[in-house]
Formats: sequence, C-alpha cells, structure tokens
Amino acid sequence: EVQLVESGGGLVQPGRSLRLSCAASGFTFDDYAMHWVRQAPGKGLEWVSGISWNSGSIGYADSVKGRFTISRDNAKNSLYLQMNSLRAEDTALYYCAKELTFGGVIVEAFDIWGQGTMVTVSS
Amino acid sequence: QSALTQPPSASGSPGQSVTISCTGTSSDVGGYNYVSWYQQHPGKAPKLMIYEVSKRPSGVPDRFSGSKSGNTASLTVSGLQAEDEADYYCSSYAGSNSYVFGTGTKVTVL
Repeated sequence: EVQLVESGGGLVQPGRSLRLSCAASGFTFDDYAMHWVRQAPGKGLEWVSGISWNSGSIGYADSVKGRFTISRDNAKNSLYLQMNSLRAEDTALYYCAKELTFGGVIVEAFDIWGQGTMVTVSS
Repeated sequence: QSALTQPPSASGSPGQSVTISCTGTSSDVGGYNYVSWYQQHPGKAPKLMIYEVSKRPSGVPDRFSGSKSGNTASLTVSGLQAEDEADYYCSSYAGSNSYVFGTGTKVTVL
C-alpha cells in the first residue's frame, strides 16, 4: 500500500525550531519529487516547499524562504522539513505529498498525501 | 505567489452540474498547462481529481472534468451526487520550482 506518514508536529514557542518527518512506503521513493503543503485551521491549502528526486532542485514559498529547509534521505525513504524562527502564522496541519509522474515525466500535481502533522506556534 | 481566486461557494441539486472557476495570472494558470484540482472532505487529506488541466487519475469518475481558457481554469462536476459535497482547490505550477493553490470552494449538494 502506498503510504505517507508525517510526524514531528507539536506545540512550539515563537522563534523556536521544529523538524518534521515524512516516512514513505509502498513505492520507489527516490523516483519521485516530494512536497510539503500546509493548511491553517479552517483555511485553504498552501504549498510550502518541494524537492526533486535527487535533491538537485528545491523550491520554497516566499512565506517560508530563509526560515524553512526541505531535505530528503532516499536511503531511509524519508522527507524532512526543518522549520526555524517559527511564527504564529506557521500554525497549520502540514501534509507531505508525492508528485505525480508518468514514465518519468513530471506532471506537476500531487497524487499521494499523508494525513498530516499539526504544528502549533504559541507562547 | 498570490493565491489563485476561486468562488467561496457553489451548489447544485443532485443530478445537476456545478462549475468552479480558478483565476490566476499569466505567470501561473495562463503560463502552464499544469493546473490540478483537489477534493477535500472534512478532516481528510486532499485527493487529486484532475491534473494537467483536464486529465483524470485512475479511479476518478468521468463526472469530473477540467478545462482552461487564458488565465482561468474550471472544474465541472456533472450529475452531482451527495458524496461530491466537499471543498475543492485548484493548483498551478508557477515557475521556478513553485506552486500556488486556489482559495478553495465549498460545494454543497442541495
């Protein structure tokens, strides 16, 4: 079964750091780009960051650039998000998502999602 | 990286059709044929319904269809069913390894 399981969320004070993890199973992890997408309580989806299969291409939303770092360990089938200088507006459910690919061709869509891990930034 | 604009709500009776618009700019929706649509039920993760403007992943009913004209993409749900009641989000590739989601539309089946 194809599965993504996020972990590492919790309550953290403003200005502190947190590291999220996403464990992948059921597919060849190092064949696919991966992303983080967040959803603040009662709000819409926001793309946060993405990383290519070999970590050679990385992108960030302007709202997190310079504070968040995405990485992956293909040997461990894992995706990470290091979040520094956290702000109240970073409070959200953070989803890990797999990028859809057909025969090696990326189609810029997210076909597999985890259930999310909640991050709450508050003093 | 401004969010794509969607109407907050849409509704229709069972069996009817509903169309949701998604308006961006020439830097995202208008610049790439990489518009996708996601369905999200309360408390659940999003589900991919449409990719590359109009293509359906395996398992998605053909009641769901997508199109694009200029900077505006659309999702049409035909033959509305009770289980179609959910939030729907569009998304577009925006260049330079970035993506943008829409503001979301709540679809109600009357």
